This record gives sequence, structure tokens and C-alpha cells, in this order.
Amino acid sequence: DIQLTQSPPSLSASLGDKVTITCQTSQDIDEYIAWYQQKPGKAPRQLIRYTSTLVSGSPSRFSGSGSGRDYSFSISNVESEDIASYYCLQYATLSWTFGGGTKLELK
Amino acid sequence: QVQLKESGPGLVQPSQTLSLTCTVSGFSLTSYNVHWVRQPPGKGLEWMGVIWSGGNTDYNSALKPRLSISRDSSKSQVFLTMNSLQTEDTGIYYCNRNNYGGYVDYWGQGVMVTVSS
Repeated sequence: DIQLTQSPPSLSASLGDKVTITCQTSQDIDEYIAWYQQKPGKAPRQLIRYTSTLVSGSPSRFSGSGSGRDYSFSISNVESEDIASYYCLQYATLSWTFGGGTKLELK
Repeated sequence: QVQLKESGPGLVQPSQTLSLTCTVSGFSLTSYNVHWVRQPPGKGLEWMGVIWSGGNTDYNSALKPRLSISRDSSKSQVFLTMNSLQTEDTGIYYCNRNNYGGYVDYWGQGVMVTVSS
């Protein structure tokens, strides 16, 4: 299975900051990566698919980029409702894989 | 409207078999893929496996020896069976709907499973 190394594991930000999370894959995934947000006690919610395509209803302050084995997810102008955990997921193969997650906290 | 709901025993003894059901409504299992994802307490998400709309299945290689996913399309139910449970299998188990490509648009609320004697 393809392995995903997500960093950092945790992140502290002030309201209005820009934050970036990275995800490195063990092999080229041809941009088949999605990003999820999960709040405590809730199911995950997909924000971005195919590297940079914003899912309907996702705020435009969320963005994604990357290619090959290296991908990133950014939040510009962090808002209080963005405090959550974030996960990357690759779906390039029939067996999908999540990254380890990043917990975003308020500074 | 589209809904998914997981159900199953809240407590399973070590070495026993876990059986979970994902009951869906608002769509056909022959048109959408259904995945299972789990999350140990305080830890990250783990993709477990999928039953594709055509009926084929794929699994996390680490779980494949003891995991099985099946469905009864007429009853709109997807089943997860996992044997030889250990305490590290404790966690919340989710099913979700995969629309196309990597687009996952609906999730169940999750069901907590505790493995303990």
C-alpha cells in the first residue's frame, strides 16, 4: 500500500494566519489526493479532491497543490471554525491510504 | 435524502469476530461505492476497505487477512466482518459513500466498538 507522511502532526496558529500542511507519498500518485477536516465527535468532511478541486460548500480560504509525491494543503486567514484535525488521503490505487493527521490549534 | 447508518455490537471480546452493518438510504449500492474507515480513540483515520458498485472489494493490506466486506443490495446494506479482534481494534467505525473518483460525499455517524473482556 502507498504510505503517506503528513506533517506537522500539530500546528498552532492565530486567527488570520496562513497555515500549510504537507503530505509526502511513497510513490507518485498522479495528483489523486484529497484533504479532509474532522472536528471532535464528528465524521470527517472532505474539503478538496484531486489535489486542488474544492468540494462544493468548502470555503475558498482552503486550497491544495502539488504533484508527483509532494502535496500541500493551506488555509489562508484561519478562522475559529477551522480549528480541527486535517487528513490527507490518496486514492491513486484501489487500496486507499490516509496520512497521519494534523491537529490545528489556536495560539 | 442520502443517509448511511452503522450498527453493531458496542462490545466484543478479544479473539472474537466483529460484525457491523451499514444501512443506506437514498441511493443504490449498485451505483455507488461504500468504504469503511475506523479511528482508534484519540488517533488518526485508517482506511479499511471498500465494496465497489460492481461488487468487487479491496482491502487495507494490513487488515486483509481478517477482514471481509460484502453487501445485500436488495436490503441496502453493507456488511463488515473482521475476525481475531484485539484491543487495538477498539475505535469508531464509519462507512461512507464514494460518488466517483475520490469524491466522498456522505458519511455515517460512526459506531463505537470496544474490544474488551
